[in-house]
Amino acid sequence: GEDVEQSLFLSVREGDSSVINCTYTDSSSTYLYWYKQEPGAGLQLLTYIFSNMDMKQDQRLTVLLNKKDKHLSLRIADTQTGDSAIYFCAESIPGGGADGLTFGKGTHLIIQP
Amino acid sequence: KAGVTQTPRYLIKTRGQQVTLSCSPISGHRSVSWYQQTPGQGLQFLFEYFSETQRNKGNFPGRFSGRQFSNSRSEMNVSTLELGDSALYLCASSFSTSNTEAFFGQGTRLTVV
Repeated sequence: GEDVEQSLFLSVREGDSSVINCTYTDSSSTYLYWYKQEPGAGLQLLTYIFSNMDMKQDQRLTVLLNKKDKHLSLRIADTQTGDSAIYFCAESIPGGGADGLTFGKGTHLIIQP
Repeated sequence: KAGVTQTPRYLIKTRGQQVTLSCSPISGHRSVSWYQQTPGQGLQFLFEYFSETQRNKGNFPGRFSGRQFSNSRSEMNVSTLELGDSALYLCASSFSTSNTEAFFGQGTRLTVV
């Protein structure tokens, strides 16, 4: 079955780049997503990448996809205190199946001054 | 363009009661999905509705049900509440069932005492 795994915590200094990693198991994933959740809030869609792409860049965000290794990463350049949140990786399977989006447990990004 | 609206934001119920949560999707979106978020299990898919029909269902007991109205608004109902039902319930709206871009509401925080 599908499984999405992420590290639970990542600590970076303000101004450095943050790289959040994710691995997934279902090779039939069509889209892979990054969501951000701030305390007490819902999920904010940050970006997504189609499975036939290797990279997608959107301002400070860069998504890299290694389909062979089933590895997805999100790089945040010039990390700011406002980037402090939980970041979820999610995959979407063709036809959705019975699982909708499958999410990782989330990575807590901690910003040190 | 208004986002996804979930009401109420917070609820406290006692064991054995039932609860109804509401979700109004983004205007023009016809697909609504529901997710349960808990610290232990993370984000888990409950069900998805499109054009008033349930298309997919996650692995939850029959106490969890939902429906969608002709205006795409959706409600989910949980009967005979248990302490373990305490969670953040998130609704996601998308234009179609492909989940290419799913936008989440702020969620309803349900506490069962």
